[in-house]
Amino acid sequence: QQQVKQSPQSLIVQKGGISIINCAYENTAFDYFPWYQQFPGKGPALLIAIRPDVSEKKEGRFTISFNKSAKQFSLHIMDSQPGDSATYFCAASTGNQFYFGTGTSLTVIP
Amino acid sequence: GAVVSQHPSRVICKSGTSVKIECRSLDFQATTMFWYRQFPKKSLMLMATSNEGSKATYEQGVEKDKFLINHASLTLSTLTVTSAHPEDSSFYICSAYKGGLSYNEQFFGPGTRLTVL
Repeated sequence: QQQVKQSPQSLIVQKGGISIINCAYENTAFDYFPWYQQFPGKGPALLIAIRPDVSEKKEGRFTISFNKSAKQFSLHIMDSQPGDSATYFCAASTGNQFYFGTGTSLTVIP
Repeated sequence: GAVVSQHPSRVICKSGTSVKIECRSLDFQATTMFWYRQFPKKSLMLMATSNEGSKATYEQGVEKDKFLINHASLTLSTLTVTSAHPEDSSFYICSAYKGGLSYNEQFFGPGTRLTVL
């Protein structure tokens, strides 16, 4: 059973647009929600993360919105750039137990 | 952040041989390390959880005798693919877990591309 559901599977956005990737979870024991960015042939890298005691976290052009009651969280990439083209994974964790979404392939076209 | 290295980054081997992949946490001690396998354009598939000084915990369907994991120190875990076959060709990624009172994160290595001929 998929602990974390991620959508969409792929996303194409114009340069300067907003990219939005959504994730949903079921287990209310999760207490940490990171997003990872992965370029082809590379390992994933932590992009931004949030804990459930806040509803939003912003770092530069990247924002996580967190809805605890709906058990959903999303990544917003503002002013998307071609260099943002990568695969993005959401995750949910408790302690050292991590569960990953299936990934979203983002393409930002010039 | 924290840095995790993997070696080698690429390896090509003949069918039937064994390949060892090293994963090191360079600037922190990791009591737990994870090994993942990733197929092209697919998600991360957790293979096993490695705890320092104890036996690894393998996910269902992962052959423990084929994928040998050793976590002998707080900064080093190794994955040995024994008697490799072409179907073992994949991208293998390790990660190291850094936990604490206000911090629990896993940091990924750059991955190892294994090609078995």
